[in-house]
Amino acid sequence: GNSVTQMEGPVTLSEEAFLTINCTYTATGYPSLFWYVQYPGEGLQLLLKATKADDKGSNKGFEATYRKETTSFHLEKGSVQVSDSAVYFCALIPNNAGNMLTFGGGTRLMVKP
Amino acid sequence: GAGVSQSPSNKVTEKGKDVELRCDPISGHTALYWYRQSLGQGLEFLIYFQGNSAPDKSGLPSDRFSAERTGGSVSTLTIQRTQQEDSAVYLCASSAHTDTQYFGPGTRLTVL
Repeated sequence: GNSVTQMEGPVTLSEEAFLTINCTYTATGYPSLFWYVQYPGEGLQLLLKATKADDKGSNKGFEATYRKETTSFHLEKGSVQVSDSAVYFCALIPNNAGNMLTFGGGTRLMVKP
Repeated sequence: GAGVSQSPSNKVTEKGKDVELRCDPISGHTALYWYRQSLGQGLEFLIYFQGNSAPDKSGLPSDRFSAERTGGSVSTLTIQRTQQEDSAVYLCASSAHTDTQYFGPGTRLTVL
């Protein structure tokens, strides 16, 4: 079946540090890949997405590249801010089995001033 | 326009009672999804409506769970004879023809 594995948190960084949150997936074919973010007390928001191999999704300084050869979609940001503190979810939609999202377990990021 | 809205925002009920959770999708979105977010299970898909097609119910955990979507818009998720393990945040999302899903704020259900 389809699954998403992401690094367990919490990840604690100082402001302006470099961020990487690892995400790997298992799926047949070429799924679409997503990062969602959940800020404290708020709902899930789409952060970025990529729909085919080697695509790079980017938004708000975050980036992730769809790597088919390593089945990965790692999230990166060059310089985190306190306001980036949130829970980040990697997710996929398979290309051959409906349109529902399969989520990873989520990674909590805490950025300290 | 407005985003996805859900009501109530919080619901506390007693074990064995029935509950109804409501979702108002973004106007014009043809697809509607229900997910559940719980500490033990993370984020799980429950059910998916697309236009007038039969819903995909493959994620519903038991026959105590059901959902309807009236007139291709508002949806209601019903949980009968609630159990303590049903305690979770129930999330609704909608999408247009693309695969980007927009989520509502969720309903936090607590079963005592």
